[in-house]
Amino acid sequence: GAVVSQHPSWVICKSGTSVKIECRSLDFQATTMFWYRQFPKQSLMLMATSNEGSKATYEQGVEKDKFLINHASLTLSTLTVTSAHPEDSSFYICSARGPNYGYTFGSGTRLTVV
Amino acid sequence: AQSVTQLDSQVPVFEEAPVELRCNYSSSVSVYLFWYVQYPNQGLQLLLKYLSGSTLVKGINGFEAEFNKSQTSFHLRKPSVHISDTAEYFCAVSETGGFKTIFGAGTRLFVKA
Repeated sequence: GAVVSQHPSWVICKSGTSVKIECRSLDFQATTMFWYRQFPKQSLMLMATSNEGSKATYEQGVEKDKFLINHASLTLSTLTVTSAHPEDSSFYICSARGPNYGYTFGSGTRLTVV
Repeated sequence: AQSVTQLDSQVPVFEEAPVELRCNYSSSVSVYLFWYVQYPNQGLQLLLKYLSGSTLVKGINGFEAEFNKSQTSFHLRKPSVHISDTAEYFCAVSETGGFKTIFGAGTRLFVKA
C-alpha cells in the first residue's frame, strides 16, 4: 500500500534556529502533499498544500516566510520552520494523496523549541 | 466550503460493547468522507472512506460507517470494541475532485475493561 515516511519523528531545537522536516512518499508519486499542525488534544489544522515544481499554497493565517515548504520532487516535500520560537512547538504531520483517492499520513514530527 | 462537526469530544465505553461515533458535515457540493484513527504520538491511519456507491462502508479493524445524505451524516460504528480501540478518531471531508481535507475536532474513544 501507499506509505509516507516522515522524518524526524521528534526534534528539540533552540529558539532562533531552523528545523527541517521531510516527508517522503515511498512507493508512489505524489504531486501534492499537505502539511498539518496539531496542538495537544486538538484536531489537525491544514497549514499548506505543497505542489511539486511550484510554490506552496498557504492557508490563511499561516506565515509562509516562517514555514518554508519545498516540493522539489514527486516523492519529497520538506517543511522548514525558520527562526523557531517556543510557540512553534507542536506536532506536525504531512500527508500525500495516493492511489484510489486515499490520503496517506506520515507518522508525525514532535517539535519542541526550548 | 465544507465543515465537519464531531458531536462528542469523548466517548467512554466498556469492552465488548457497541459504539457509535457521530459525524455531521456541511457542504454545498458533493463530498468524499473519511474516518481516521490516531494513536498517541502517531500519524493518522485511514479506517474507511466513502467515495460513491453503497452508503454502508466497511473499514479496517471491524469498523463501518454509513453515509446519510439527507441527514449529512457519516457516523462510525463498531459492534464490539476492544481495549486496543482506545484512540482519537477523526472524521474528515473533502470536495469530490478537490484536494483539501477538512477534519473534525476529533472524538476520544476510551474503552474500559
